[in-house]
Amino acid sequence: DTGVSQNPRHKITKRGQNVTFRCDPISEHNRLYWYRQTLGQGPEFLTYFQNEAQLEKSRLLSDRFSAERPKGSFSTLEIQRTEQGDSAMYLCASSGTTHTEAFFGQGTRLTVV
Amino acid sequence: QKEVEQDPGPLSVPEGAIVSLNCTYSNSAFQYFMWYRQYSRKGPELLMYTYSSGNKEDGRFTAQVDKSSKYISLFIRDSQPSDSATYLCAMRGTGTYKYIFGTGTRLKVLA
Repeated sequence: DTGVSQNPRHKITKRGQNVTFRCDPISEHNRLYWYRQTLGQGPEFLTYFQNEAQLEKSRLLSDRFSAERPKGSFSTLEIQRTEQGDSAMYLCASSGTTHTEAFFGQGTRLTVV
Repeated sequence: QKEVEQDPGPLSVPEGAIVSLNCTYSNSAFQYFMWYRQYSRKGPELLMYTYSSGNKEDGRFTAQVDKSSKYISLFIRDSQPSDSATYLCAMRGTGTYKYIFGTGTRLKVLA
């Protein structure tokens, strides 16, 4: 399978704990995106990387959120001191240079209890 | 007002019907338009991708963009029960790769 891969698929954590999600983009895609989706809503943009550089970051991304893409390959999204409002599906997508449409992974569903 | 508006539905149609799904937007800078299909608890799956105005056809799916009216449509011909899902429109301008999504329209195709 050469699609976007996200791990874990599901995460249940206690309020106040830190969590980290991983995204492996489609091989050769230089752009990588993180989105958050809550029930009944469309995905909301969080941040975007071109290679290893984080080029855009939403105001939705509070100081508790940080994303990295070392070496321009996989990416991690960390949420510190989780809150119940962080419960959502976290989606990763990637796109290339010739074809710029974004392809999504299956998401990581986070539940904060 | 949201940048992208989409009727959440649900929209119920009989099998074989032609389905019309629509989004309106307010930002005239949007140039790239996409339609995604999302099944429950899954990631969005790209269906159609168009640049600027015009039509694009792929199998049973046709995407239309009318930039003068800031209105995009997705038509599904010969709809099947397997088409039952949420359909999301997304768009972006040039100079940014930040895609803005609609809330999605839930579609139910009844056998």
